[in-house]
Formats: sequence, C-alpha cells, structure tokens
Amino acid sequence: EVQLVESGGGLVQPGGSLRLSCAASGFTFSSYAMNWVRQAPGKGLEWVSVVTSDGSSFYADSVKGRFTVSRDNSKNTLFLEMNSLGAEDTAVYYCAKDGGAWPKYHFDYWGQGILVTVSS
Amino acid sequence: EIVLTQSPATLSLSPGERVTLSCRASQSVISSLAWFQQKPGQAPRLLIYETSNRATGIPARFSGSGSGADFTLTISSLEPEDFAVYYCQQRSTWPPTFGQGTKLEI
Repeated sequence: EVQLVESGGGLVQPGGSLRLSCAASGFTFSSYAMNWVRQAPGKGLEWVSVVTSDGSSFYADSVKGRFTVSRDNSKNTLFLEMNSLGAEDTAVYYCAKDGGAWPKYHFDYWGQGILVTVSS
Repeated sequence: EIVLTQSPATLSLSPGERVTLSCRASQSVISSLAWFQQKPGQAPRLLIYETSNRATGIPARFSGSGSGADFTLTISSLEPEDFAVYYCQQRSTWPPTFGQGTKLEI
C-alpha cells in the first residue's frame, strides 16, 4: 500500500523559512518523480514543484527562487525547503507521487497534507 | 498557462440521482485531463485519468468523457459518500493546472 506522510509544517513568521518532509513507503520511491501541491484555506489546488527520480527539479513561477525541492532516495523521503515565506504561502501542502521517473503530472497518490501558516 | 473552468460551482442533489460535472479548458488539452475527489479534511483522490480511465479502486458509477477543451465527469447514481468537491486537472501543457472545483452537496 502506497503511503505518503508529510511533516514539518507549522506557524512561521513572514520572511521566515520552513522545511517540509514527506516519508514514502509501499512503492519503489527512487523510480518515481515526486510533486508538491498546495491548497490555501478554502481554495483550490495549486501545483508547486516536482523533482524527478534522479533529482532534477521544476517550480511554479509563484515559488521559483524561494522554494527548493529535493529527495533522499536512500531514505525514501521528499523535502521542500521554503524561504522568504509570505502570507500567500499559507496553505496545506501535499506531497503527491507522479506516474513515472520523469514528470507526467499524473498525481496518483497523495499524502494527508501538512498545514503551513505564515503569520506574525 | 491553461485555465480550467468548472461548472457549476455548486450542485445540490440527492442520493440516487445522476450528475454531470463540466470542465472547460482555455485551450486544447487533447485528452490529458484528470478528475479528483476531495472530502473535507482529506487529500484529493484520483478518480479518472486521461479523460476516461478509472483509477485503481474507483467504482464504475464514475465515468469521464470529452476531448480537446470540453470534458465531463458523470456519476451515474449518487451514493452518500460521493458528496464532495471535484477538481479537474490538465497535464497537457506545463504548468499543470487545476480547475476551481465543483461542490456536490445534498
């Protein structure tokens, strides 16, 4: 059974930083691209970033230059380093498994999500 | 980026009814369209991919159709557990984008 479990969220001040993690199990983690998708309170879904199976990364324009996605295939873990956070980054962040080693943006399994709140 | 417009925003229905949700793209996405279901406090769940393919474990009452820029999700007979928010998503053109959602309520 595929399981994705996010951690590391919480309250952070504007301009601050936070690092999210997503622990994966139930599939060959190293063989799949992994995504982050976020959802602001009461809003829709927004794709944030993807990392390929071998570590190449791509970002939405809204986070480019501030967020860094990475992975540790030896620990089956996905990361999202978030810097220069603003109120607009307040959201539930989901990790989502992709359908292949290179991004297909086929989000077949999702974690339960972790809340990030940016506020003073 | 491709904008996906879902209609209606909200639908009030009863169990047993048939429902069709619409998703219209600002340009053709060919057949690269998926549908997700999201219940309160839960993650989205993949229902349909590539327009009409049901994801693993999805009941046959869910079906998808369409092509180009116009797509529909049909639930043939609503079950109580189907009342949720439904999102469409395209992966034809980067970046992947989602519709704003349609809420099915009793």
